[in-house]
Amino acid sequence: DVKVTQSSRYLVKRTGEKVFLECVQDMDHENMFWYRQDPGLGLRLIYFSYDVKMKEKGDIPEGYSVSREKKERFSLILESASTNQTSMYLCASSSTGGARHYGYTFGSGTRLTVV
Amino acid sequence: AQSVSQHNHHVILSEAASLELGCNYSYGGTVNLFWYVQYPGQHLQLLLKYFSGDPLVKGIKGFEAEFIKSKFSFNLRKPSVQWSDTAEYFCAVTMYSGGGADGLTFGKGTHLIIQP
Repeated sequence: DVKVTQSSRYLVKRTGEKVFLECVQDMDHENMFWYRQDPGLGLRLIYFSYDVKMKEKGDIPEGYSVSREKKERFSLILESASTNQTSMYLCASSSTGGARHYGYTFGSGTRLTVV
Repeated sequence: AQSVSQHNHHVILSEAASLELGCNYSYGGTVNLFWYVQYPGQHLQLLLKYFSGDPLVKGIKGFEAEFIKSKFSFNLRKPSVQWSDTAEYFCAVTMYSGGGADGLTFGKGTHLIIQP
């Protein structure tokens, strides 16, 4: 069974702190993604990566950065946390085989509160 | 940029009622289409997906969706809903890119409540 594991279910951080959200997948997927989910706004793509050390900006990258040093791990970094980054953060991975995009497998999410 | 519109943010139905959730997308090229479901307190799960071929796709738990290219639509249907279908439903689209990674673009979601 494909698993995407996010290291923390709940986090509370202070404004200005540097925050690391970790995500690990165990299915050798090439692609990994970070989304944030907010009520009424759905899921919005922050960053994604299609290979080790490769990253691409999504729709809302401001205030975030990412790191992918190993294929199975994709980290989201909030350089200086702000209250408007309070949200549910979802990690996902996928395999794109030729003409098919197989859809994503999501982690359980990290609910981050910035105070 | 592509976008996805879900017509209803909140839908309330009684058990055994029929369901149709609307989804329209804006991209004019070849797309891959998905419906995801998020049950309360759980992570997102794939309900069904469309890549090509038969425009009527069947997914898990009795759900189906019909791709109508001329209308840029991919509506989700279920003939008879159950209380356990209470969840948030997301339509998503990605452009077919022949193998590269593309982020899925999601709609804002439809919160479905089924009353016993």
